Amino acid sequence: EVQLVESGGGLVQPGGSLRLSCAASGFTFSNYWMSWVRQAPGKGLEWVANIKQDGTEKYYVDSVKGRFTISKDNAKNSLYLQMNSLRAEDTAVYYCARVVGGSYYWFDPWGQGTLVTVSS
Amino acid sequence: DIQMTQSPSSLYASVGDRVTITCRASQSISSYLNWYQQKSGKAPKLLIYTASSLQSGVPSRFSGSGSGTDFTLTISSLQPEDFATYYCQQSYSTPRSFGQGTKLEIK
Repeated sequence: EVQLVESGGGLVQPGGSLRLSCAASGFTFSNYWMSWVRQAPGKGLEWVANIKQDGTEKYYVDSVKGRFTISKDNAKNSLYLQMNSLRAEDTAVYYCARVVGGSYYWFDPWGQGTLVTVSS
Repeated sequence: DIQMTQSPSSLYASVGDRVTITCRASQSISSYLNWYQQKSGKAPKLLIYTASSLQSGVPSRFSGSGSGTDFTLTISSLQPEDFATYYCQQSYSTPRSFGQGTKLEIK
């Protein structure tokens, strides 16, 4: 069974940092692009970042460029999101998701999510 | 960036009803449109990809159609487990964008 399990969320002050992790199992992690998608409380979904199978290509939504870094460790079957200079508007549930379908891809499956709260 | 607009934002329906949710893109996205279902407190689940392809394991009462800028998700006969929020998402260009969601509630 394909499974994604996020961890690392919590309460952090504005300007602080947090590192999210996503443990993957049930598929060959090194063969897939991976993504982070977030959802602010009571709001819709927002794609955050993508990373290529080998980590050589990364893409970000404009609002997190220069502050967030996506990475993956294929030996550990793990995806990460390093979040620096956090702002109140980064408060959200962060989901990791497997990217499927080539260039015109979709997200499947998703992890259960981890909540990040940015507040003083 | 491509903007995705869903209508309606909320919808009240009864078990057994046929319901249709619409998604419109701000520019042509060919058939690169996906649909997700999200139940309260849960992660989104893929229902339909590339406009009309049913994800494995998803009941056949779900169907998708459309191309260009206008797309629809249809549930042919609502079941109790279908009451949820539905999102469309374009996979034509980066940033991948989602619609604002359609909340399907029990009448």
